[in-house]
Amino acid sequence: EAQVTQNPRYLITVTGKKLTVTCSQNMNHEYMSWYRQDPGLGLRQIYYSMNVEVTDKGDVPEGYKVSRKEKRNFPLILESPSPNQTSLYFCASSRSTRTQETQYFGPGTRLLVL
Amino acid sequence: GENVEQHPSTLSVQEGDSAVIKCTYSDSASNYFPWYKQELGKRPQLIIDIRSNVGEKKDQRIAVTLNKTAKHFSLHITETQPEDSAVYFCAANPNDYKLSFGAGTTVTVRA
Repeated sequence: EAQVTQNPRYLITVTGKKLTVTCSQNMNHEYMSWYRQDPGLGLRQIYYSMNVEVTDKGDVPEGYKVSRKEKRNFPLILESPSPNQTSLYFCASSRSTRTQETQYFGPGTRLLVL
Repeated sequence: GENVEQHPSTLSVQEGDSAVIKCTYSDSASNYFPWYKQELGKRPQLIIDIRSNVGEKKDQRIAVTLNKTAKHFSLHITETQPEDSAVYFCAANPNDYKLSFGAGTTVTVRA
């Protein structure tokens, strides 16, 4: 089944404790992206990747890191999480290297930073 | 950067009536405008999109219109049904690799 998966789905952590949220797609998609969703703010793009080893900042990259060592995986790293990173995170992928294609979203990861 | 504004933030309609959601964008370079639907507790899913070389696009009960001169685009849902209740997001791409979303519209269809 073609899909985007994320792990974990739920996470409670404490300030400063490094964490990684994994994202994987099995559709051989070129483009992958991370978003955070907060009430009243919609979806905001954190980072995106056009291809392996090619990543760039979205609108809210502060406090996050990403890597794209393999085409299928695009982990999101929070080196030192803070409470303002409490949010619902979505990974997405699309076939083309550009955004003018359907983006397929993962199920989401709900993060609480205490 | 691109700024996408979406109105209204909430919309309640009687089943069978129409719903209209409007979005404006700031970056004239944007040329792709998708609409995503997010049901409660689920992931966003694309329902329709429009490119800048087209003024209107329709898919069954859903239609999107685009006015590039005024930098606004709208989603129209006709003959609304209970399953149309969800949060709807508009988006615009300021370049080939970024996508900026509106804040969302919560649509409630009353039976």
